[in-house]
Formats: sequence, structure tokens, C-alpha cells
Amino acid sequence: AQSVTQLDSHVSVSEGTPVLLRCNYSSSYSPSLFWYVQHPNKGLQLLLKYTSAATLVKGINGFEAEFKKSETSFHLTKPSAHMSDAAEYFCVVSEGGYSTLTFGKGTMLLVSP
Amino acid sequence: NAGVTQTPKFRVLKTGQSMTLLCAQDMNHEYMYWYRQDPGMGLRLIHYSVGEGTTAKGEVPDGYNVSRLKKQNFLLGLESAAPSQTSVYFCASSYGAASTDTQYFGPGTRLTVL
Repeated sequence: AQSVTQLDSHVSVSEGTPVLLRCNYSSSYSPSLFWYVQHPNKGLQLLLKYTSAATLVKGINGFEAEFKKSETSFHLTKPSAHMSDAAEYFCVVSEGGYSTLTFGKGTMLLVSP
Repeated sequence: NAGVTQTPKFRVLKTGQSMTLLCAQDMNHEYMYWYRQDPGMGLRLIHYSVGEGTTAKGEVPDGYNVSRLKKQNFLLGLESAAPSQTSVYFCASSYGAASTDTQYFGPGTRLTVL
């Protein structure tokens, strides 16, 4: 069975400082991993995904994530936060098959001026 | 190319009323999904469809029914709404069911059941 744990429910940063959103996963297979972002009252937008190619994945808006199998982690980072990054972020694991997206509970990123 | 669209955006129901949420996608995807999102719970799968005319239960199917009469549409029905069904509902679609396939999400429907 697969599972995802987002280690922080809220993260607060100042504009221009680095962002780190932590995600650990559990999977019996070689999973794919995704990060989605949800801005207030909006749908979910794909930020990036890992599909067993390069372990460092670059996404949109300057975000990137590194797949570390030994640590079962897939943390999301950005060198410099922008006010527009304030949103909720979901880490998602997939082993494939018809209904196998498992979502973390989300991390709310707050960015202060 | 609108992607995934959902109708309506907002709805308020009284307990016991029924309603249907409509999801449409224009990407020719075979697979479609309905999720509900509750605070602190992430998204949970209600029902899904692997092609026109097929549906299957997800993690939290009780109280909901679905239909996929056309490939591009996936309907979610509530026959007798309950306050526990107050939630935000998201539809998604994907080309395939491999772990590498991306699910594309609609903008959501905010449902309140009084």
C-alpha cells in the first residue's frame, strides 16, 4: 500500500527567502511522485512530477524537487519565495493502475512581505 | 482547449435534496475521476471511470452515483444529500492509468448541504 506524509501543515517564509516543503512517501513499488499547487478557491495545478528518470525534477515557477529513494523523500524547494507562491501544496504518490493516486494532507505556504 | 470544466461552481442544497455535478473534458482522455476535498484530508477518490460506459468505486463511494454515457462527460449524482457531503468536489481526467500519467483537474464545485 502507498502513503504520503507531508511533514508540515503550514510553512511561513518571507518574500525572497528559500522555500522547503517536506514530503515522505511509502510504496511497495517504484512509484511516480507529483507535487500539485492549489491557489485559494482554485483547482489543482501540476507543479512537477518524478517518473524514475532524473532524480532532480524541475517544475514550473522555479520549483524543483529531489527524489531520494534511501530517505523515501520528495521535498519541494524554491530558492526565492514570491508573494504569488502563497497557496496549498499537495504531494501525491502513484503506483499506477486505475485509482492509485494518494494525496498528502497538504502544506499551506504563507509568504510575508 | 478548455481542459477539464465543472458545472456548477457553487451549490447550496437542503438535506434530502438531489443534484448532479457535471464534468467535461476536451482532451480525449479515457480515464476520469471524482474526488472530494475536505479540510486537512487532502483529496479522496469517490468514483472513477476507465472508459465510456464504465464506472467503479473509489475510496469513499457511499451516497454517490456516477455515469459515463459519453467519453467526454462524467456525472456525479447525490440522490439524497446529507450535511456530511458538504465539501469541494474535483473532477480529473488522464490519458492512461500508468503511474506516470498525469491527472488534470477541473476548478472544483463547492457544495454546501444544510
